[in-house]
Amino acid sequence: DTEVTQTPKHLVMGMTNKKSLKCEQHMGHRAMYWYKQKAKKPPELMFVYSYEKLSINESVPSRFSPECPNSSLLNLHLHALQPEDSALYLCASTLKAGSNQPQHFGDGTRLSIL
Amino acid sequence: AQSVSQHNHHVILSEAASLELGCNYSYGGTVNLFWYVQYPGQHLQLLLKYFSGDPLVKGIKGFEAEFIKSKFSFNLRKPSVQWSDTAEYFCAVNALWNTDKLIFGTGTRLQVFP
Repeated sequence: DTEVTQTPKHLVMGMTNKKSLKCEQHMGHRAMYWYKQKAKKPPELMFVYSYEKLSINESVPSRFSPECPNSSLLNLHLHALQPEDSALYLCASTLKAGSNQPQHFGDGTRLSIL
Repeated sequence: AQSVSQHNHHVILSEAASLELGCNYSYGGTVNLFWYVQYPGQHLQLLLKYFSGDPLVKGIKGFEAEFIKSKFSFNLRKPSVQWSDTAEYFCAVNALWNTDKLIFGTGTRLQVFP
């Protein structure tokens, strides 16, 4: 079992809905990441949070809004998504940003946009 | 820009066969190198990593990888595969100056038949 917990595991939403993805870790990690993985493709970095502050935004559309309310929790708020946003969304964490420590991944949330 | 190439997209082996998966990266500076494995329906897990030192690194489950700097390669090997090694394998790289941006290769799907 992974130590990075993502909920929900599956999400189906319409293009006008607002929903949120949640990621939680209790390893004391201070860097957290969101990735997007399309089918048969590698994960692609979306956002990096370091000490609860957004440090990297890989030019992600504003319909994706990340939030880090505390050191253990990372959210991804979704609004007005497009069908091409259907993908597996992965959360990861590591001890601290800018370190050599490997990232620990969650199981992901499989998102389908109708 | 950094990139990672995995030339074997799909590998099919019988149990006890030897495995070698290729990984080449494109980046002129110092990098950290990783192999992750994704078993069916599971999260990405770290197999092994190379930061510095001995270019031959050993990981979990009998896997090893060799960093050849002159060839920009980090190939994954296992002398004798098992059915349980069936999974997707991703090579990943980050630059020493930007460790938060982990660049993944396109992945290699390994199928092992009994």
